[in-house]
Amino acid sequence: AQSVTQPDIHITVSEGASLELRCNYSYGATPYLFWYVQSPGQGLQLLLKYFSGDTLVQGIKGFEAEFKRSQSSFNLRKPSVHWSDAAEYFCAVVLFSGGYNKLIFGAGTRLAVHP
Amino acid sequence: KAGVTQTPRYLIKTRGQQVTLSCSPISGHRSVSWYQQTPGQGLQFLFEYFSETQRNKGNFPGRFSGRQFSNSRSEMNVSTLELGDSALYLCASSLNKVSDTQYFGPGTRLTVL
Repeated sequence: AQSVTQPDIHITVSEGASLELRCNYSYGATPYLFWYVQSPGQGLQLLLKYFSGDTLVQGIKGFEAEFKRSQSSFNLRKPSVHWSDAAEYFCAVVLFSGGYNKLIFGAGTRLAVHP
Repeated sequence: KAGVTQTPRYLIKTRGQQVTLSCSPISGHRSVSWYQQTPGQGLQFLFEYFSETQRNKGNFPGRFSGRQFSNSRSEMNVSTLELGDSALYLCASSLNKVSDTQYFGPGTRLTVL
């Protein structure tokens, strides 16, 4: 079955350090992939998306992600983390199945940033 | 352009009651999707409405229903509330399709006592 896996539930990094959040998907065709961020008590904000084309995607707030078909991955990266990046990050994929389309989310990765 | 708005932001209900949540999409967006977010189950897709018709649905019981009006505003209804329905309910709008970028509202926090 199609799914999205975020292997890391919690990650802690120091401010200024680099960041990589992992996302693996299980899907036969080329997926529509998204990364969202959620601050406490807030809705989700889109960071970036991949539909096709260049496999390295630039997003807002200095984030980027790379689509690797061979590894079924869409990892999110940032070269230097700021304290304001502390939040929960969700990877998502659009599932096309039996006439139904829906956005499937991973379990999320909670990011803590140490000063 | 105004973002997605949801009302109310907070609700407290008791078991057995019913509740209606409202969502106003971004102007020009015709697709509205609803999600339930809980600590145990994460973010789960409830259903999607387009042109006043339910076009996609997730795996939730019939107690969860919705509708969409001609101006694309949407409501979600939960009948016979259970304790497990306590969650953050998020609404998202997109131009036409689920695969279009979805823009989320701040959510409605529902607590069932």
